[in-house]
Amino acid sequence: QSALTQPASVSGSPGQSITISCTGTSSDIGFYNYVSWYQQHPGKAPKLMIYNVSYRPSGVSNRFSGSKSGNTASLTISGLQTEDEADYYCSSYTGSDTLVIFGGGTKLTVL
Amino acid sequence: QVQLVQSGAEVKKSGASVKVFCKASGYTFTDYYLHWVRQAPGQGLEWMGRIKPNSGGTDYAQKFQGRVTMSMDTSISTAYMDLSGLRYDDTAVYYCARGLWDRYFEYWGQGTLVTVSS
Repeated sequence: QSALTQPASVSGSPGQSITISCTGTSSDIGFYNYVSWYQQHPGKAPKLMIYNVSYRPSGVSNRFSGSKSGNTASLTISGLQTEDEADYYCSSYTGSDTLVIFGGGTKLTVL
Repeated sequence: QVQLVQSGAEVKKSGASVKVFCKASGYTFTDYYLHWVRQAPGQGLEWMGRIKPNSGGTDYAQKFQGRVTMSMDTSISTAYMDLSGLRYDDTAVYYCARGLWDRYFEYWGQGTLVTVSS
């Protein structure tokens, strides 16, 4: 099972919106609605931001939203803030022998 | 509140084994799956496998089958990850994470750095 494909980096200015894509296959993202997104600041553990494609855990800002179309999932962050600068990882359930796969990660820079 | 507290950093020789523990608190240990995810320096996240605390059943990523063993002690709400035949590219931070089944990871441990040296 190959890793999901994410852009290596994205950037935006405070107040702007950005979208991070995550491309998989018809066996993972395209088949299951179990896509999740994680935020990771340097030296810290990942933090769940979106689960089941588009649901936000309690306490996560509504500036974060998720969606899916076909084999590609997306994370959108609106009203960018400096504290959003971090690495973001997508993940999907696969149902195969490697049950969960991650994307390679996207570094978000808030200029 | 839910907490996952992991054991401390380890330095191991190539070919040796390492056992990392993850002590859970703040919830019923047997109600949620416990996953292990690792992150090599400057690299992304990699799922290694998980254990079902209610049954002890395990599933491992194909890459680690034969080298990893996940176990638990429900009496002390603790999960263990044992990795054998360590290689230099096993140098990484190893995280445990509480999962809602295999769908997503709500809570993470602080991570355990395992360094494989000569």
